[in-house]
Amino acid sequence: GENVEQHPSTLSVQEGDSAVIKCTYSDSASNYFPWYKQELGKRPQLIIDIRSNVGEKKDQRIAVTLNKTAKHFSLHITETQPEDSAVYFCAASGGPDAGGTSYGKLTFGQGTILTVHP
Amino acid sequence: EPEVTQTPSHQVTQMGQEVILRCVPISNHLYFYWYRQILGQKVEFLVSFYNNEISEKSEIFDDQFSVERPDGSNFTLKIRSTKLEDSAMYFCASSGQGRAQYFGPGTRLLVL
Repeated sequence: GENVEQHPSTLSVQEGDSAVIKCTYSDSASNYFPWYKQELGKRPQLIIDIRSNVGEKKDQRIAVTLNKTAKHFSLHITETQPEDSAVYFCAASGGPDAGGTSYGKLTFGQGTILTVHP
Repeated sequence: EPEVTQTPSHQVTQMGQEVILRCVPISNHLYFYWYRQILGQKVEFLVSFYNNEISEKSEIFDDQFSVERPDGSNFTLKIRSTKLEDSAMYFCASSGQGRAQYFGPGTRLLVL
């Protein structure tokens, strides 16, 4: 099955700096890669996602890049703010099965604790 | 903006007891999921559900687990005989025609 590795496990930056979190996946059939932000005790919140037919997607200060050949994808946060402090999870998913009955389970990485210091 | 809701937020139970965790997915979504997260660890897939049947399940989802959509709005996870190692946060998620899965706030289950 799919295996997702995420690095680093912790990341500490100064406010205004950029933060980069990297993930690799093992299953070449995976074609959907979301990123979730989870604040302490809260639900995972989808912040951005990318499909395998594009190499980059940007939404304001957040961007995700995908390298299908190398099977890795990264989250980039620019101009970090203290409220960006949270645990960030990457995930990978395959497409619908042949019968169209599932969009596929999400396999998550281990998470990155991001701390943005004021 | 519609959100997935879950009840209860916390559940404490004795080992061997049955628990039912409830979820109300986003109303026009068709795909439903349960995940769990042991404290400090990553989120793990349990089961996916579509068209009133299980689409996929993980090795965690053994005979002690079951899911049901008893009516047009609720989606439940039942654990028949809880074990200590079932203690975790359980998240329900749903998705529509797009790929995005939206998570509920979770139920923290503590088995004593």
